[in-house]
Amino acid sequence: NAGVMQNPRHLVRRRGQEARLRCSPMKGHSHVYWYRQLPEEGLKFMVYLQKENIIDESGMPKERFSAEFPKEGPSILRIQQVVRGDSAAYFCASSGTRDTQYFGPGTRLTVL
Amino acid sequence: KNEVEQSPQNLTAQEGEFITINCSYSVGISALHWLQQHPGGGIVSLFMLSSGKKKHGRLIATINIQEKHSSLHITASHPRDSAVYICAVLMNRDDKIIFGKGTRLHILP
Repeated sequence: NAGVMQNPRHLVRRRGQEARLRCSPMKGHSHVYWYRQLPEEGLKFMVYLQKENIIDESGMPKERFSAEFPKEGPSILRIQQVVRGDSAAYFCASSGTRDTQYFGPGTRLTVL
Repeated sequence: KNEVEQSPQNLTAQEGEFITINCSYSVGISALHWLQQHPGGGIVSLFMLSSGKKKHGRLIATINIQEKHSSLHITASHPRDSAVYICAVLMNRDDKIIFGKGTRLHILP
């Protein structure tokens, strides 16, 4: 049973470009969470999704960031018009219930 | 004040020493997680606790719900235990997870 998969593991973008981060949850998991870890800071919740639904996006920046978890395929965190401050590690976690979360390896986004 | 506080922030110890990392929280929780983040950045869930004590190999985690405090202990520490250890609580008011800032542990050979 494969764990949570994230790709790419490293992503470099220039300011103004778009970044797409993918997360494939563990088999059988229908809850997906995205977290951001800024340099020298702790993890911060961004968004919680179930299939085709955003349940809680209270941690998402109001502009440029969006997330989806379609019926088929991975969850996508999309950052439009990236800025240097978006450089961070983005972690996805999945769960089959609301308590035990399994983390992916993360995507390290660098904005030049 | 942060809702989840960890101490110490940084800890350096010699191989073989007994390690204790503390986590205090100020909110009502339904569960507490201890996570390990290695220098490469990947995060591994070590324990999920809602009461009492759990043991896995050389790792022991305890939680005192009344005192809103949890500890992670490592016995016979080893350089490969060097990592950042993160405490995270699942809040019972809205099911959100709040993370502590982490404790950076460095075990010297």
